Amino acid sequence: NAGVMQNPRHLVRRRGQEARLRCSPMKGHSHVYWYRQLPEEGLKFMVYLQKENIIDESGMPKERFSAEFPKEGPSILRIQQVVRGDSAAYFCASSPDRTANTGELFFGEGSRLTVL
Amino acid sequence: QKEVEQDPGPLSVPEGAIVSLNCTYSNSAFQYFMWYRQYSRKGPELLMYTYSSGNKEDGRFTAQVDKSSKYISLFIRDSQPSDSATYLCAMSASGSARQLTFGSGTQLTVLP
Repeated sequence: NAGVMQNPRHLVRRRGQEARLRCSPMKGHSHVYWYRQLPEEGLKFMVYLQKENIIDESGMPKERFSAEFPKEGPSILRIQQVVRGDSAAYFCASSPDRTANTGELFFGEGSRLTVL
Repeated sequence: QKEVEQDPGPLSVPEGAIVSLNCTYSNSAFQYFMWYRQYSRKGPELLMYTYSSGNKEDGRFTAQVDKSSKYISLFIRDSQPSDSATYLCAMSASGSARQLTFGSGTQLTVLP
């Protein structure tokens, strides 16, 4: 049973470019979460999605960041016009219905974005 | 002040030692408490999960929650070099369990 799959694992962008990070949840999981980990800091919640719906985006910056989880295909975290402060590891996590209200999450290995 | 405080370490112990990792928190609404282990350049993996106060044991690992003191602990007995990792505490409030609040992590090295 494959775990949470994220790609790309590493992404380098120049300031002003767009970054797209993809996440395929574990089989049978319908809940997807995105977290950001800045150097020397803990993981920070960004957004929680179910298929075709954004449930909670309270941790998402208001500008330049967007997320989707379409009916078919992976979840996408999109960062437009990247700036150096966006450099971080972005982790996707998924959960089955039975743990959606408890916080037991299954994390991917992360996508590390470097903005030059 | 951060909602969750965790000593970043680094913590270095000899193989076989008992390790104690701790977090304090300020939000009394937190009900679910977790410990995640994160190896270098990898994603966090759930290690222990507890609800409300009390102890939970799983093999060499014991998690303790003291809600009155807003203090949680993870004990590792007979520590092994393979336990070397960063340990993250995480917690969430009832009804908003989708949003985990993480500590910044404690880096542990177990020396052979």
